[in-house]
Amino acid sequence: GAGVSQSPRYKVAKRGQDVALRCDPISGHVSLFWYQQALGQGPEFLTYFQNEAQLDKSGLPSDRFFAERPEGSVSTLKIQRTQQEDSAVYLCASSSFGQGRNTIYFGEGSWLTVV
Amino acid sequence: AQTVTQSQPEMSVQEAETVTLSCTYDTSESDYYLFWYKQPPSRQMILVIRQEAYKQQNATENRFSVNFQKAAKSFSLKISDSQLGDAAMYFCAYMRKSSGDKLTFGTGTRLAVRP
Repeated sequence: GAGVSQSPRYKVAKRGQDVALRCDPISGHVSLFWYQQALGQGPEFLTYFQNEAQLDKSGLPSDRFFAERPEGSVSTLKIQRTQQEDSAVYLCASSSFGQGRNTIYFGEGSWLTVV
Repeated sequence: AQTVTQSQPEMSVQEAETVTLSCTYDTSESDYYLFWYKQPPSRQMILVIRQEAYKQQNATENRFSVNFQKAAKSFSLKISDSQLGDAAMYFCAYMRKSSGDKLTFGTGTRLAVRP
C-alpha cells in the first residue's frame, strides 16, 4: 500500500477483554516495529520483526502482550486480559532496510482505551 | 541504556520567526543516528531531519536545521520562517547503529505557532 495502515483506529475495551491490533506495512518492507505511546509521553519500543522473525521483544511490558508476523507482511499485536494501564496509542512502523539508512515510516496508530 | 531528554514541554513562536527546540541524549556508543520527528494530532510520526553521528556537518532540510554537538551530546532543532503548519509535537530520537532501527524517543516538545 501507499503507507503503513493500522486497524482499528480506535478501540474501547472493557478491562479483562482481549484485543488484537493489526498493522499492514508498506509493501516490501522487511523491518516492522511496534511502539506504545502513553498520553503525554514519547513512543516506547515494544518489539521488532525482520520478515517473519521476531528479533527483539524486549519492550513488551508483560506476558499479556504478544506479537506475530507469520508471513513477513501483516503483523498483529495482541493484548490479553487488558488493564487500564494498557490505554495508549499503539504505533506500527516499517522500513525497507536496517541500520537506519532508510526512512522509517509510521502508521497513524491504534488508540486503545481500556475502561 | 540510552536516554533522550527534551527539557522544553512547550514552546511558542510567532509566524515567520525562528525557534530552537532542545534535545540532549546519553550514550556510550560512538556511532549512531539522531532524528527529529513531527507528530501532528493525527499521531502519525513524520521524519523531519536525520543526523549521522560520524558526520560533523550539521544536517539541513529546507527550513529545518540541527546543531549537533557530539561532545556535549546535544542535538537541537532550528525551525526558520515558522509556518502555521509547523505546529505539532516534536520528538527527538536516538538509534544505535547496531540496534536494527529501534528508536529511543524523548518526551516531546509541543510547538505552538502564533499567527
